[in-house]
Amino acid sequence: DVKVTQSSRYLVKRTGEKVFLECVQDMDHENMFWYRQDPGLGLRLIYFSYDVKMKEKGDIPEGYSVSREKKERFSLILESASTNQTSMYLCASSFPQGYEQYFGPGTRLTVT
Amino acid sequence: AQSVTQLGSHVSVSEGALVLLRCNYSSSVPPYLFWYVQYPNQGLQLLLKYTSAATLVKGINGFEAEFKKSETSFHLTKPSAHMSDAAEYFCAVSDPRYSSASKIIFGSGTRLSIRP
Repeated sequence: DVKVTQSSRYLVKRTGEKVFLECVQDMDHENMFWYRQDPGLGLRLIYFSYDVKMKEKGDIPEGYSVSREKKERFSLILESASTNQTSMYLCASSFPQGYEQYFGPGTRLTVT
Repeated sequence: AQSVTQLGSHVSVSEGALVLLRCNYSSSVPPYLFWYVQYPNQGLQLLLKYTSAATLVKGINGFEAEFKKSETSFHLTKPSAHMSDAAEYFCAVSDPRYSSASKIIFGSGTRLSIRP
């Protein structure tokens, strides 16, 4: 059974703080993804990675960076958190070539 | 460019009634198509997936979807709604620019409510 875990379910941070969101998958998937989910906007892709140390910008990368030092782990970094980054953050992973993505439970981040 | 349109941000049906959630897509190449479900405070779970093997795709929990190329549609149906089907449903299409990365594009979602 595929397992994607995220480091926190709920997180509260202050404006200007550096925030790390961690995601780990246990299925040896090559691809990993970070999305944010906001009401009425669906899921928007922030960054994705198709190999260790490789990353690609998604649709809304501004204000975010990522790190993938090991195949199973993909980190999302908010360099200086702002209130407009309050959202649900979802991590996913998949095999290449059209395979479905498997999602973690999400982290609800509140920036005050 | 690929895109997905889900008609109706909120659908409400009675328990036992037919569920129909609409999805239209645009794609420059034969697509992979997906339906995901999200229960409150959880991540997304795959309901079903179309990969060109068969136009009628059966998924989990009694859901199915039919790929209609002429209508560029992939509507999700269930013959008889159950209270446990209340959730948000997302339609998604593969992005061929990043096929090796399995990048997909999501619709904005449809919230399904079930009336007793």
